[in-house]
Amino acid sequence: DAGVTQSPTHLIKTRGQHVTLRCSPISGHKSVSWYQQVLGQGPQFIFQYYEKEERGRGNFPDRFSARQFPNYSSELNVNALLLGDSALYLCASSQDRSSPDTQYFGPGTRLTVL
Amino acid sequence: QKEVEQNSGPLSVPEGAIASLNCTYSDRGSQSFFWYRQYSGKSPELIMFIYSNGDKEDGRFTAQLNKASQYVSLLIRDSQPSDSATYLCAASSGGSYIPTFGRGTSLIVHP
Repeated sequence: DAGVTQSPTHLIKTRGQHVTLRCSPISGHKSVSWYQQVLGQGPQFIFQYYEKEERGRGNFPDRFSARQFPNYSSELNVNALLLGDSALYLCASSQDRSSPDTQYFGPGTRLTVL
Repeated sequence: QKEVEQNSGPLSVPEGAIASLNCTYSDRGSQSFFWYRQYSGKSPELIMFIYSNGDKEDGRFTAQLNKASQYVSLLIRDSQPSDSATYLCAASSGGSYIPTFGRGTSLIVHP
């Protein structure tokens, strides 16, 4: 079975632009979570979606939004990009929202904002 | 503000030694604790989780939890160069898994 996939792998944007990151969970997984990992720091939780509904939101501004589709894939959108948004964006999928032992991370999208 | 604190390291140990990684957390409501391994340029991988006070062993890894002291540790026995990575500690409270991660400790195992 394929693991969690994310696209694109790398992205370069300029300040003020908008970006959409995509994630496909492992087959059978219904929960998707998004994290931001700045270099030298641990991942910071952004959103959790389960059964197409938002179930958790981290301490991020409203410029960050996400959604989950009927096939359980997900998009993370970031508007009005700032230099500080440069980071590795990780998607993780799990069978349900309370099973960390079934959570697997994708390879991430490296976003650089110039 | 929920915080998970880790020494960033690097922690350097010789091959075959025991590596001891430590983590403290601020939220007394935290119920579940996790250790992830992250190789450079890769995504995190869950290696241990623990819910109850005491020790939990899995192969060469032992997680230790002391809720009274708000302290979690990970011991790696017979360390190998392939264990060289950043180890992330995370804590979660409540019914859904929404973790707070520490910044990670870099471990270097030298031959």
